Amino acid sequence: NAGVTQTPKFQVLKTGQSMTLQCAQDMNHEYMSWYRQDPGMGLRLIHYSVGAGITDQGEVPNGYNVSRSTTEDFPLRLLSAAPSQTSVYFCASSGSRGVNTEAFFGQGTRLTVV
Amino acid sequence: GQQVMQIPQYQHVQEGEDFTTYCNSSTTLSNIQWYKQRPGGHPVFLIQLVKSGEVKKQKRLTFQFGEAKKNSSLHITATQTTDVGTYFCSSSNTGKLIFGQGTTLQVKP
Repeated sequence: NAGVTQTPKFQVLKTGQSMTLQCAQDMNHEYMSWYRQDPGMGLRLIHYSVGAGITDQGEVPNGYNVSRSTTEDFPLRLLSAAPSQTSVYFCASSGSRGVNTEAFFGQGTRLTVV
Repeated sequence: GQQVMQIPQYQHVQEGEDFTTYCNSSTTLSNIQWYKQRPGGHPVFLIQLVKSGEVKKQKRLTFQFGEAKKNSSLHITATQTTDVGTYFCSSSNTGKLIFGQGTTLQVKP
């Protein structure tokens, strides 16, 4: 099993550009989430999904869109990048609905918006 | 909404000293999970606590869940340089996993 695969690992964008961060898991997990990590701010939840076709906003959703058309994939879209979105992004997946289990994280995407 | 506060933000210790990080919530938590993130890495699951007053040990690491299920702690005995990293507590609620701000541990050899 590959676990959680996140691409790309590094990305530089110009202000106003759009891009999609890819996240795929092969563990048949129901739950998937996107986080951003900034110095001193910990891991802040952007969006999450409890199953295919179901998404919801987290703590810092503005400027980001998500969709969950399959159980395996949960892409994060930046429609118009801003310097404030410079951060390290992590995708995570966990357990089955109703069962609290550990979250598995991707390797992270280091995004710089100039 | 669901929030967990973690202290301290940073801790520098001499190798061999003990280390403790604390996690607090204003609401009752269904569970607490602890993760470790090495510098430049991604968070890795350490343990989950679900019962009031639960205590679990992993070698030099001791995890506790408070009686009221509103706080938790991670204690490392006799730190080693391999313990360096950021430790996060988190709580999940039907797939929504919220993290504390983390405690970054530096260990001087």
